[in-house]
Amino acid sequence: DIQMTQSPSSLSASVGDRVTITCRASQSIATYLNWYQQIAGKAPKLLIYAASDLQTGVPSRFSGSGSGTEFTLTLSSLQPDDFATYYCQQSYSSPYTFGQGTKLEIK
Amino acid sequence: QVQLQQWGGGLLKPSETLSLNCDVSGVSLRGYQWSWIRQPPGKGLEWIGEINYSGTSNYNPSLKSRVTISVDSSKNQFSLEVRSVTAADTAVYYCARDDLGSGIDYWGQGTLATVSS
Repeated sequence: DIQMTQSPSSLSASVGDRVTITCRASQSIATYLNWYQQIAGKAPKLLIYAASDLQTGVPSRFSGSGSGTEFTLTLSSLQPDDFATYYCQQSYSSPYTFGQGTKLEIK
Repeated sequence: QVQLQQWGGGLLKPSETLSLNCDVSGVSLRGYQWSWIRQPPGKGLEWIGEINYSGTSNYNPSLKSRVTISVDSSKNQFSLEVRSVTAADTAVYYCARDDLGSGIDYWGQGTLATVSS
């Protein structure tokens, strides 16, 4: 199985801050990398697919980059609704594994 | 619009079988992979498996021996069965649509299954 490792596991930030979350794959996955946001008690929501493509309806303050084994999710200016847990997922090979999550909290 | 409505789960005893169903509306099953994903309380997401319109399935090897995913195209539904459950199977289970390279873009509301004696 491909292991996905996110860093940091948790992060405190303020409204308006720029934050970056990193996801590393245990082997190359090209750009088969997706990012999700999960608010507590809700289903995950797709933000970014294919490493850098913004899902329809997702604000442009979210962006993704990377290829191979290292990827980043950037939130350019945090809004109150952005405080949630973020997961990466590889869709390169089955089983389609997720990172352990990054919890973004209000400072 | 695309909606996934799931039901089943609840409280189970060890060794019982967990059965979940997912009704898809607003889109045909054709052309997508239909997935099950679970999340133990307070933990991360685990991909269980997927199935397509024609019934071809693919499972996580860690669960493969106990899991069956099936599809009923005439009803636009798909289902999950997990046999011989233990406390480790306690989780919120989600059904979802995988848009083949474009991410998992639609999710059911989630159903909690609790395994306890």
